[in-house]
Amino acid sequence: DAGVIQSPRHEVTEMGQEVTLRCKPISGHNSLFWYRQTMMRGLELLIYFNNNVPIDDSGMPEDRFSAKMPNASFSTLKIQPSEPRDSAVYFCASSFGQGAAMNTEAFFGQGTRLTVV
Amino acid sequence: AQSVTQPDIHITVSEGASLELRCNYSYGATPYLFWYVQSPGQGLQLLLKYFSGDTLVQGIKGFEAEFKRSQSSFNLRKPSVHWSDAAEYFCAVGAGFGNEKLTFGTGTRLTIIP
Repeated sequence: DAGVIQSPRHEVTEMGQEVTLRCKPISGHNSLFWYRQTMMRGLELLIYFNNNVPIDDSGMPEDRFSAKMPNASFSTLKIQPSEPRDSAVYFCASSFGQGAAMNTEAFFGQGTRLTVV
Repeated sequence: AQSVTQPDIHITVSEGASLELRCNYSYGATPYLFWYVQSPGQGLQLLLKYFSGDTLVQGIKGFEAEFKRSQSSFNLRKPSVHWSDAAEYFCAVGAGFGNEKLTFGTGTRLTIIP
């Protein structure tokens, strides 16, 4: 398996523009996570899905952020409009689990480095 | 709410020396604990995990960690480090119904000197 695939690897955009980050989880995994990593705040869980359904989006910073998972093999994280403070590395991760052992191991993608100027 | 503390921001050790990275957690129930490693420009790779059973767990690359409930700790160890171990190390605790919500510590950056 190719692992969790994220695109693009790097994104530079101007303030106010819409940004869409993409993630393809590992085939067969039923949970998908979006994290943000910054120097100031470390790794933060933004949202996660289980069986394509958003379970907890309490980490999404504000309404400018939205995430979708239209099917088991694809998810997007959208920022509209983007702001300089959104600059960070965004990671997608996936895992497989059932019941009380839903998170046996999360596999991370290589991340998307977003710079908003 | 759960939390993870990694008290050491940066550690420098000589190649061949032993290593211990500290991790303390706060969680009301039995924790699921993880150690991840991140090389520059890369994603996170799981080193090892603890769910239950033997409190000393073995991981990849020669790492091990010991869960000590009385101390709320899950320290990572390696008897002899290699230059390739230079990276950032994150401890995490899983929470939620399925332990799917990972809360990460702030990380410890490991530098290896010849």
